[in-house]
Amino acid sequence: EPEVTQTPSHQVTQMGQEVILRCVPISNHLYFYWYRQILGQKVEFLVSFYNNEISEKSEIFDDQFSVERPDGSNFTLKIRSTKLEDSAMYFCASSESPGSSYEQYFGPGTRLTVT
Amino acid sequence: KNEVEQSPQNLTAQEGEFITINCSYSVGISALHWLQQHPGGGIVSLFMLSSGKKKHGRLIATINIQEKHSSLHITASHPRDSAVYICAVRSSGAGSYQLTFGKGTKLSVIP
Repeated sequence: EPEVTQTPSHQVTQMGQEVILRCVPISNHLYFYWYRQILGQKVEFLVSFYNNEISEKSEIFDDQFSVERPDGSNFTLKIRSTKLEDSAMYFCASSESPGSSYEQYFGPGTRLTVT
Repeated sequence: KNEVEQSPQNLTAQEGEFITINCSYSVGISALHWLQQHPGGGIVSLFMLSSGKKKHGRLIATINIQEKHSSLHITASHPRDSAVYICAVRSSGAGSYQLTFGKGTKLSVIP
């Protein structure tokens, strides 16, 4: 069964460093999402991406964040200058279409630890 | 903004028990998801529904749109069902496809 993959599974970085989290969505999916979950808290929406541009973003997704689809398969989340509070689990998801009848499929997550 | 509330927050059950987890939301939705999160952190989608009832194996999900409420039932619970169960909703506003999540219900099934 097709699945969303994410790399790395765990990333440790120092405060102020840039990180890039990578996702490979399911191949025929067109709509992509990033979510994050701070330890012990609920999952929060960050951004959605369609047709090579951001469709929707939350107030969390400020100027230090950016997303990109650099080629036909990868979808990346870049955090320019990491802060301690960026430590969280980051989930990528994809769906065939943004419509409400289309399910979102989640990747296994990348645990980001900022020291 | 949709508020999603789940109950209970924690649930301990004996193997074989029938389990119900509840989810309520504050604003009209286009779809509701039930998700399962295992201790390693990964999220698996169990159901997506916008009306009625869906069944998959020992899992049943129901939704009442008028009451803005959904339930996830597990029949004949098993220790491998131990996980966090999360309700997430997609609001019905045009052009909005983000999910709003509940805090989750941590289920522990004891042999």
